[in-house]
Amino acid sequence: DADVTQTPRNRITKTGKRIMLECSQTKGHDRMYWYRQDPGLGLRLIYYSFDVKDINKGEISDGYSVSRQAQAKFSLSLESAIPNQTALYFCATSEGEGYEQYFGPGTRLTVT
Amino acid sequence: LAKTTQPISMDSYEGQEVNITCSHNNIATNDYITWYQQFPSQGPRFIIQGYKTKVTNEVASLFIPADRKSSTLSLPRVSLSDTAVYYCLSGGYNKLIFGAGTRLAVHP
Repeated sequence: DADVTQTPRNRITKTGKRIMLECSQTKGHDRMYWYRQDPGLGLRLIYYSFDVKDINKGEISDGYSVSRQAQAKFSLSLESAIPNQTALYFCATSEGEGYEQYFGPGTRLTVT
Repeated sequence: LAKTTQPISMDSYEGQEVNITCSHNNIATNDYITWYQQFPSQGPRFIIQGYKTKVTNEVASLFIPADRKSSTLSLPRVSLSDTAVYYCLSGGYNKLIFGAGTRLAVHP
């Protein structure tokens, strides 16, 4: 089984809808991250969490919220989806600062 | 404003050495430099990481000059399977800045 899983893998939703993307990991890492990937822009950090009680905004947190339900689970929510949130979303984990990040397979989100 | 810059694309041929350079002019003292590889429909995968001078592992080398404002990923003797997008990441603690990625195409 994969160390970092994301659900759903693909999602099409309408403008104004609330949507949640879920991430689970079996690596036992404390640190988890949510990124967004757009063509030509690389990956941009949305939120990150160093442990269950520590959640921090990244570079582009506006329009997004997160929940760290447990060490192994980190969810990303779009409260009211808009078309420019159409992108590929990646979850990642790491053991600590300076350690490599392990990425999930990504969720392709389309907002119409 | 911290920014990580790398070439948009590169072409190479099987068996050649490929060097991809990344610019990170505003790198902080404690920031490290990491390179990732990404294939279509997959998440990025770690290649190599360094802080200064040279780091080598089984798949690549990473060269970082003394001023640390740039870094070069070196892939020895590339094969067709090295065709991918390569990302440079600079940062640490709460600042993680990815470059836009370099699309490497390896030709027969």
